[in-house]
Amino acid sequence: AQKITQTQPGMFVQEKEAVTLDCTYDTSDPSYGLFWYKQPSSGEMIFLIYQGSYDQQNATEGRYSLNFQKARKSANLVISASQLGDSAMYFCAMRENGNNRLAFGKGNQVVVIP
Amino acid sequence: DARVTQTPRDKVTEMGQEVTMRCQPILGHNTVFWYRQTMMQGLELLAYFRNRAPLDDSGMPKDRFSAEMPDATLATLKIQPSEPRDSAVYFCASGLVAGRYVTEAFFGQGTRLTVV
Repeated sequence: AQKITQTQPGMFVQEKEAVTLDCTYDTSDPSYGLFWYKQPSSGEMIFLIYQGSYDQQNATEGRYSLNFQKARKSANLVISASQLGDSAMYFCAMRENGNNRLAFGKGNQVVVIP
Repeated sequence: DARVTQTPRDKVTEMGQEVTMRCQPILGHNTVFWYRQTMMQGLELLAYFRNRAPLDDSGMPKDRFSAEMPDATLATLKIQPSEPRDSAVYFCASGLVAGRYVTEAFFGQGTRLTVV
């Protein structure tokens, strides 16, 4: 069963605007963690941000923030003031079940246009 | 600048040959993951180690794949014999488990494997 769902089609975003990438997850484990990664066309996987299920506040890292809505099982990534270099695939991943496996979604494609 | 180092970056091999991919995790990290990425399947976990012990290799085809950590600075993924369907990008990632869980995991640049 799909644990992480990322279903948005490819997105075009105007430079300097904010973009929200959707991620919903499925777990019955009360303790879990959510990760976001960026994969530019060069192919590397870049860790962006982490949110633990017990964290009281939404995680933020520079221009990245995570809109964590636990009841809705949603962990959307918000990129503020997008830049041309933000063009990439973005992957949401979840750690659950008392271990450290990361299960990844299929990704969201973002293209930032000037 | 701490990073995960993978070698080789690219590998083209003939079907039936042995392939060995190497990973040097970030110094001090105690958890190592091997992932495979294909267009069809996305990112799949093959194996992961904690403190050099294999904790989960259920995602790995056992008949041809093997993963080891001979020491804390080296993880290897071996395919023998290789098949065209093994063509993919193989990523190694490392993380630090403080307490029970990893809260960040850093990926290497991957090994692009092509089996012809």
